Amino acid sequence: GEDVEQSLFLSVREGDSSVINCTYTDSSSTYLYWYKQEPGAGLQLLTYIFSNMDMKQDQRLTVLLNKKDKHLSLRIADTQTGDSAIYFCAGGGSQGNLIFGKGTKLSVKP
Amino acid sequence: KAGVTQTPRYLIKTRGQQVTLSCSPISGHRSVSWYQQTPGQGLQFLFEYFSETQRNKGNFPGRFSGRQFSNSRSEMNVSTLELGDSALYLCASSYQTGGGNTIYFGEGSWLTVV
Repeated sequence: GEDVEQSLFLSVREGDSSVINCTYTDSSSTYLYWYKQEPGAGLQLLTYIFSNMDMKQDQRLTVLLNKKDKHLSLRIADTQTGDSAIYFCAGGGSQGNLIFGKGTKLSVKP
Repeated sequence: KAGVTQTPRYLIKTRGQQVTLSCSPISGHRSVSWYQQTPGQGLQFLFEYFSETQRNKGNFPGRFSGRQFSNSRSEMNVSTLELGDSALYLCASSYQTGGGNTIYFGEGSWLTVV
Protein backbone atom coordinates (compact mmCIF):
# COMPACT_ATOMS: atom_id res chain seq x y z
CA GLY A 1 0.00 0.00 0.00
CA GLU A 2 0.90 3.64 0.04
CA ASP A 3 3.49 4.50 2.63
CA VAL A 4 5.82 7.33 3.60
CA GLU A 5 8.77 6.70 5.90
CA GLN A 6 10.94 9.13 7.83
CA SER A 7 13.53 8.83 10.54
CA LEU A 8 12.04 9.83 13.90
CA PHE A 9 14.71 12.07 15.38
CA LEU A 10 17.43 14.50 14.28
CA SER A 11 19.62 16.62 16.50
CA VAL A 12 21.82 19.43 15.20
CA ARG A 13 23.73 22.41 16.54
CA GLU A 14 22.52 25.93 15.92
CA GLY A 15 24.03 27.29 12.72
CA ASP A 16 24.54 23.86 11.16
CA SER A 17 22.50 22.51 8.25
CA SER A 18 19.75 19.97 8.92
CA VAL A 19 18.77 17.31 6.42
CA ILE A 20 15.54 15.43 6.91
CA ASN A 21 14.98 12.41 4.70
CA CYS A 22 11.84 10.69 3.50
CA THR A 23 11.04 7.73 1.26
CA TYR A 24 7.67 7.07 -0.32
CA THR A 25 6.06 4.21 -2.19
CA ASP A 26 3.41 5.90 -4.35
CA SER A 27 5.13 7.23 -7.45
CA SER A 28 1.91 8.73 -8.82
CA SER A 29 2.03 11.69 -6.42
CA THR A 30 1.90 14.91 -8.41
CA TYR A 31 3.20 16.95 -5.53
CA LEU A 32 5.26 16.14 -2.46
CA TYR A 33 5.08 18.33 0.61
CA TRP A 34 6.91 19.30 3.74
CA TYR A 35 4.99 20.46 6.80
CA LYS A 36 6.20 21.74 10.16
CA GLN A 37 4.35 21.21 13.42
CA GLU A 38 5.24 23.05 16.60
CA PRO A 39 3.97 21.85 20.00
CA GLY A 40 0.24 22.32 20.38
CA ALA A 41 -0.16 23.71 16.88
CA GLY A 42 -1.48 22.62 13.51
CA LEU A 43 0.54 21.89 10.39
CA GLN A 44 2.36 24.69 8.64
CA LEU A 45 3.04 24.20 4.93
CA LEU A 46 6.75 24.83 4.48
CA THR A 47 7.20 23.98 0.85
CA TYR A 48 6.20 21.57 -1.87
CA ILE A 49 7.81 20.19 -4.99
CA PHE A 50 6.21 19.17 -8.25
CA SER A 51 6.99 15.57 -9.14
CA ASN A 52 8.82 16.45 -12.37
CA MET A 53 11.33 18.65 -10.54
CA ASP A 54 14.60 17.54 -9.01
CA MET A 55 15.20 20.46 -6.72
CA LYS A 56 13.44 23.47 -5.28
CA GLN A 57 15.00 26.20 -3.20
CA ASP A 58 13.08 28.62 -1.03
CA GLN A 59 15.25 30.85 1.16
CA ARG A 60 16.84 28.58 3.78
CA LEU A 61 14.95 25.53 2.53
CA THR A 62 16.12 23.19 -0.22
CA VAL A 63 14.06 20.23 -1.34
CA LEU A 64 15.66 17.43 -3.34
CA LEU A 65 13.62 14.80 -5.11
CA ASN A 66 15.02 11.55 -6.49
CA LYS A 67 12.11 9.92 -8.29
CA LYS A 68 14.07 6.82 -9.24
CA ASP A 69 14.78 6.03 -5.60
CA LYS A 70 11.49 7.59 -4.36
CA HIS A 71 13.51 9.70 -1.98
CA LEU A 72 12.72 13.22 -0.82
CA SER A 73 14.83 15.39 1.44
CA LEU A 74 14.51 18.76 3.13
CA ARG A 75 17.63 20.73 3.90
CA ILE A 76 17.42 23.65 6.33
CA ALA A 77 20.44 25.93 6.12
CA ASP A 78 21.72 27.82 9.16
CA THR A 79 19.35 25.99 11.50
CA GLN A 80 18.03 28.09 14.38
CA THR A 81 16.47 27.13 17.71
CA GLY A 82 13.15 28.32 16.31
CA ASP A 83 13.36 25.51 13.76
CA SER A 84 12.92 22.94 16.53
CA ALA A 85 9.68 21.14 15.66
CA ILE A 86 8.33 18.00 14.03
CA TYR A 87 8.66 17.87 10.26
CA PHE A 88 6.30 15.81 8.14
CA CYS A 89 6.82 14.62 4.64
CA ALA A 90 3.61 13.95 2.68
CA GLY A 91 2.66 12.65 -0.72
CA GLY A 92 -0.61 12.51 -2.57
CA GLY A 93 -2.56 9.29 -2.02
CA SER A 94 -4.77 7.45 -4.48
CA GLN A 95 -7.88 8.94 -2.88
CA GLY A 96 -6.65 12.48 -3.39
CA ASN A 97 -5.67 12.66 0.25
CA LEU A 98 -2.25 13.24 1.79
CA ILE A 99 -0.23 10.30 3.06
CA PHE A 100 2.02 11.44 5.88
CA GLY A 101 5.16 10.04 7.39
CA LYS A 102 5.36 9.66 11.16
CA GLY A 103 7.33 12.88 11.40
CA THR A 104 10.94 13.74 12.24
CA LYS A 105 11.51 15.57 15.50
CA LEU A 106 14.24 18.13 14.96
CA SER A 107 16.08 19.33 18.05
CA VAL A 108 18.39 22.30 17.68
CA LYS A 109 21.00 22.74 20.39
CA PRO A 110 22.44 26.20 21.06
CA LYS B 1 -6.03 36.75 3.86
CA ALA B 2 -7.38 34.77 6.79
CA GLY B 3 -6.13 31.23 7.27
CA VAL B 4 -8.04 28.06 8.01
CA THR B 5 -10.14 28.51 11.13
CA GLN B 6 -11.18 25.62 13.31
CA THR B 7 -13.53 25.73 16.28
CA PRO B 8 -13.56 24.83 19.05
CA ARG B 9 -9.84 24.57 19.79
CA TYR B 10 -10.23 22.39 22.86
CA LEU B 11 -13.06 20.26 24.15
CA ILE B 12 -13.68 17.47 26.61
CA LYS B 13 -16.48 14.99 26.08
CA THR B 14 -17.75 11.88 27.85
CA ARG B 15 -17.86 8.44 26.28
CA GLY B 16 -21.09 7.91 24.39
CA GLN B 17 -21.63 11.59 23.64
CA GLN B 18 -21.34 13.14 20.23
CA VAL B 19 -19.26 16.08 19.05
CA THR B 20 -19.35 18.51 16.13
CA LEU B 21 -16.22 20.31 14.92
CA SER B 22 -16.24 23.22 12.52
CA CYS B 23 -13.81 24.38 9.84
CA SER B 24 -13.83 27.55 7.77
CA PRO B 25 -11.46 27.25 4.81
CA ILE B 26 -9.40 30.01 3.24
CA SER B 27 -11.57 32.33 1.19
CA GLY B 28 -11.96 30.96 -2.33
CA HIS B 29 -10.98 27.42 -1.40
CA ARG B 30 -13.66 24.87 -2.13
CA SER B 31 -11.99 21.70 -0.88
CA VAL B 32 -11.96 20.81 2.80
CA SER B 33 -10.33 17.66 4.12
CA TRP B 34 -10.26 16.29 7.64
CA TYR B 35 -7.48 14.38 9.33
CA GLN B 36 -7.10 12.73 12.71
CA GLN B 37 -3.75 12.91 14.48
CA THR B 38 -2.87 10.58 17.35
CA PRO B 39 0.51 9.64 18.86
CA GLY B 40 0.05 6.00 17.89
CA GLN B 41 -1.40 6.21 14.39
CA GLY B 42 -0.03 9.55 13.26
CA LEU B 43 -2.00 11.55 10.70
CA GLN B 44 -4.87 9.69 9.08
CA PHE B 45 -7.28 10.90 6.42
CA LEU B 46 -10.95 11.03 7.35
CA PHE B 47 -12.72 12.52 4.34
CA GLU B 48 -12.69 15.28 1.76
CA TYR B 49 -15.51 17.57 0.68
CA PHE B 50 -15.56 19.63 -2.48
CA SER B 51 -18.48 21.82 -3.54
CA GLU B 52 -20.70 20.27 -0.86
CA THR B 53 -20.02 16.70 -2.03
CA GLN B 54 -17.95 14.08 -0.26
CA ARG B 55 -15.25 13.17 -2.77
CA ASN B 56 -13.13 10.77 -0.80
CA LYS B 57 -13.31 8.88 2.45
CA GLY B 58 -10.70 7.23 4.62
CA ASN B 59 -10.95 4.04 6.58
CA PHE B 60 -12.97 5.20 9.59
CA PRO B 61 -16.21 3.80 11.01
CA GLY B 62 -19.57 5.31 10.17
CA ARG B 63 -19.58 7.16 13.51
CA PHE B 64 -17.41 9.72 11.75
CA SER B 65 -19.34 11.88 9.34
CA GLY B 66 -19.10 15.29 7.79
CA ARG B 67 -20.74 17.80 5.57
CA GLN B 68 -19.95 20.96 3.67
CA PHE B 69 -22.10 24.01 3.25
CA SER B 70 -22.57 26.25 0.23
CA ASN B 71 -20.05 28.75 1.64
CA SER B 72 -17.46 25.90 1.79
CA ARG B 73 -17.48 25.77 5.58
CA SER B 74 -17.38 22.20 6.80
CA GLU B 75 -18.36 20.32 9.90
CA MET B 76 -17.42 16.89 11.07
CA ASN B 77 -19.38 14.89 13.59
CA VAL B 78 -18.37 11.96 15.73
CA SER B 79 -21.18 10.06 17.40
CA THR B 80 -21.04 7.61 20.30
CA LEU B 81 -17.60 8.78 21.33
CA GLU B 82 -15.01 6.26 22.44
CA LEU B 83 -11.85 6.84 24.45
CA GLY B 84 -9.81 6.11 21.33
CA ASP B 85 -11.36 9.09 19.55
CA SER B 86 -9.23 11.39 21.69
CA ALA B 87 -7.06 13.14 19.14
CA LEU B 88 -6.17 16.33 17.35
CA TYR B 89 -8.56 16.83 14.44
CA LEU B 90 -7.10 18.87 11.64
CA CYS B 91 -8.87 20.52 8.77
CA ALA B 92 -7.11 21.21 5.47
CA SER B 93 -8.16 23.70 2.84
CA SER B 94 -7.22 23.79 -0.84
CA TYR B 95 -8.47 25.38 -4.01
CA GLN B 96 -9.03 22.18 -5.94
CA THR B 97 -10.14 18.68 -5.11
CA GLY B 98 -7.30 16.28 -4.49
CA GLY B 99 -5.20 19.07 -3.05
CA GLY B 100 -3.06 20.53 -5.77
CA ASN B 101 0.09 22.36 -4.83
CA THR B 102 -1.04 24.28 -1.79
CA ILE B 103 -2.87 22.59 1.03
CA TYR B 104 -3.17 24.60 4.20
CA PHE B 105 -4.09 23.33 7.64
CA GLY B 106 -5.83 24.93 10.57
CA GLU B 107 -4.62 24.87 14.17
CA GLY B 108 -6.80 21.88 14.92
CA SER B 109 -9.41 20.90 17.49
CA TRP B 110 -8.12 18.97 20.47
CA LEU B 111 -10.72 16.42 21.55
CA THR B 112 -10.39 14.56 24.83
CA VAL B 113 -12.87 11.78 25.57
CA VAL B 114 -13.14 10.76 29.23
